Amino acid sequence: EAQVTQNPRYLITVTGKKLTVTCSQNMNHEYMSWYRQDPGLGLRQIYYSMNVEVTDKGDVPEGYKVSRKEKRNFPLILESPSPNQTSLYFCASSQDRREQYFGPGTRLTVT
Amino acid sequence: AQKVTQAQTEISVVEKEDVTLDCVYETRDTTYYLFWYKQPPSGELVFLIRRNSFDEQNEISGRYSWNFQKSTSSFNFTITASQVVDSAVYFCALSEADTGTASKLTFGTGTRLQVTL
Repeated sequence: EAQVTQNPRYLITVTGKKLTVTCSQNMNHEYMSWYRQDPGLGLRQIYYSMNVEVTDKGDVPEGYKVSRKEKRNFPLILESPSPNQTSLYFCASSQDRREQYFGPGTRLTVT
Repeated sequence: AQKVTQAQTEISVVEKEDVTLDCVYETRDTTYYLFWYKQPPSGELVFLIRRNSFDEQNEISGRYSWNFQKSTSSFNFTITASQVVDSAVYFCALSEADTGTASKLTFGTGTRLQVTL
């Protein structure tokens, strides 16, 4: 089954404690992205990757890091999380602009 | 820069009423794609429809229909005979043709639809 998986689905952490949210896709897609969703703001792109070792900033990259060492994986790293990074995060993958496959979302709370 | 506006923050209707969700977009590209997604209370994003900029035909799928008008840069979504299960947040999104950002969707802020009995 074609899918995008994210882990963990729910995470509560404290300010400053480094965390990683994993994302994996099994469709051999070249493009992968991370979005965050906040009330009243819709979804905004954090980072995207066009292929292995190729990443670039989206609209709201501050406080986040990503890496793309393998085509299927695109982890999102928060080196020093802060409360304003409390949000719902979605990973997505696509082969072209016609279709985006979204993961189930990760709800992060930073206290 | 591309932009998507969903001016309706929240809509409440009684079951069986028809409801239209508005979406207005801005782009300088001539080639682009428009999308609608549904986000039920469980939180996942459910793909509803994709329309490319060269196809202005309206589409109907069961109780759902979409009206794409390039002249007004709008891509509105109508639910006929709404049901309680339609209660969700609905997002309109735009993807431009620039291959450098081919993976990017620009989302509107969403419209929360509440359907009551």
